[in-house]
Amino acid sequence: DAGITQSPRYKITETGRQVTLMCHQTWSHSYMFWYRQDLGHGLRLIYYSAAADITDKGEVPDGYVVSRSKTENFPLTLESATRSQTSVYFCASRETDFDYGYTFGSGTRLTVV
Amino acid sequence: EDQVTQSPEALRLQEGESSSLNCSYTVSGLRGLFWYRQDPGKGPEFLFTLYSAGEEKEKERLKATLTKKESFLHITAPKPEDSATYLCAALGSYNTDKLIFGTGTRLQVFP
Repeated sequence: DAGITQSPRYKITETGRQVTLMCHQTWSHSYMFWYRQDLGHGLRLIYYSAAADITDKGEVPDGYVVSRSKTENFPLTLESATRSQTSVYFCASRETDFDYGYTFGSGTRLTVV
Repeated sequence: EDQVTQSPEALRLQEGESSSLNCSYTVSGLRGLFWYRQDPGKGPEFLFTLYSAGEEKEKERLKATLTKKESFLHITAPKPEDSATYLCAALGSYNTDKLIFGTGTRLQVFP
């Protein structure tokens, strides 16, 4: 199926564990993004990537690591999960121009206990 | 600091009762102003991109407009299926790709 796919859909993990959230897009968009969405804060940018092997920090990068060895994949890793990282995580991608906006995945709901 | 503020936080409308949602933005060098719709448990769904003051775009019952400081999403004769959270986002400057979101307006349209 064409589009942007996130996995897992739901995840419960313990404090201190490493967790990786996956994101895969089928359009070969150059730009990919990770956002978290929390009540009262809206969507906040964690990391983004302009192309394979090029990544940059967003608004709230602490505690997260990203990599982009292939254009279509952009995994997000929480190195040592904390309760404050309980959130809904969205991956997005976009084309070079903005006419079609940013396309978002369905999200991963992560709970850190 | 780039900022996007949406109002009201929540809006209840009767079916057919037109209204407008507001998005105030402060960004340096606006590259694009985006509107999204988000349903519960789903990712944001793209609606419009606006680029410069005076621009308008329409889609079914929705019309988005842009000034130098604000954007409005006008909803004409809404239906219950228009119930959702509407998000506004702005992209500013030429050095970053950091889309800044507002916290959204939760719209409920009842029959």
